[in-house]
Amino acid sequence: DAGVIQSPRHEVTEMGQEVTLRCKPISGHNSLFWYRQTMMRGLELLIYFNNNVPIDDSGMPEDRFSAKMPNASFSTLKIQPSEPRDSAVYFCASSLWENTEAFFGQGTRLTVV
Amino acid sequence: AQTVTQSQPEMSVQEAETVTLSCTYDTSESDYYLFWYKQPPSRQMILVIRQEAYKQQNATENRFSVNFQKAAKSFSLKISDSQLGDAAMYFCAYRTGGSTLGRLYFGRGTQLTVWP
Repeated sequence: DAGVIQSPRHEVTEMGQEVTLRCKPISGHNSLFWYRQTMMRGLELLIYFNNNVPIDDSGMPEDRFSAKMPNASFSTLKIQPSEPRDSAVYFCASSLWENTEAFFGQGTRLTVV
Repeated sequence: AQTVTQSQPEMSVQEAETVTLSCTYDTSESDYYLFWYKQPPSRQMILVIRQEAYKQQNATENRFSVNFQKAAKSFSLKISDSQLGDAAMYFCAYRTGGSTLGRLYFGRGTQLTVWP
């Protein structure tokens, strides 16, 4: 298996622009997580899905952030409009319900200027 | 709410020596899972070891082992025969189990330096 695949690896955008981050989980996994990592706050859980349904989105910072999982093999995290404080590394992870450990993608480094 | 605390922001060890990274967690649940992840400079999050709370035996993976003290809610990672490639940020993580299977909580991490 190719593992969790995220795209793009790096994204530089101007403040106010829309940003879309993409994630393909490991085939057969039924839980998907979006995390944000910064020096100040560490790893923060933004949202997670079970069987494509959002279970807990309490970590989503504000309405500018939205996430979707239209099917079991694809998820997006969208920021609109983006702000400099959104600059961070965004990770997607997936897991099997039974196995519990999460497998991470390589992350997207987002820079908003 | 579940919290995970790593009290050592930085640790260092000499190559071939042993080092122990500390982790404590707070929970009222009896069914859960604990993990140690490693994040090298490449930023890839790599699972190092896992421990099921219902198992009394401490997990081991080659040079990596844990000391799981359920009553004390402590979950430390021991790295034996440290290698230069072990240098990384290490994260302790907690996940609820059973029917409340859900979010994965992380500590703030411990940066491990390995000296030659």
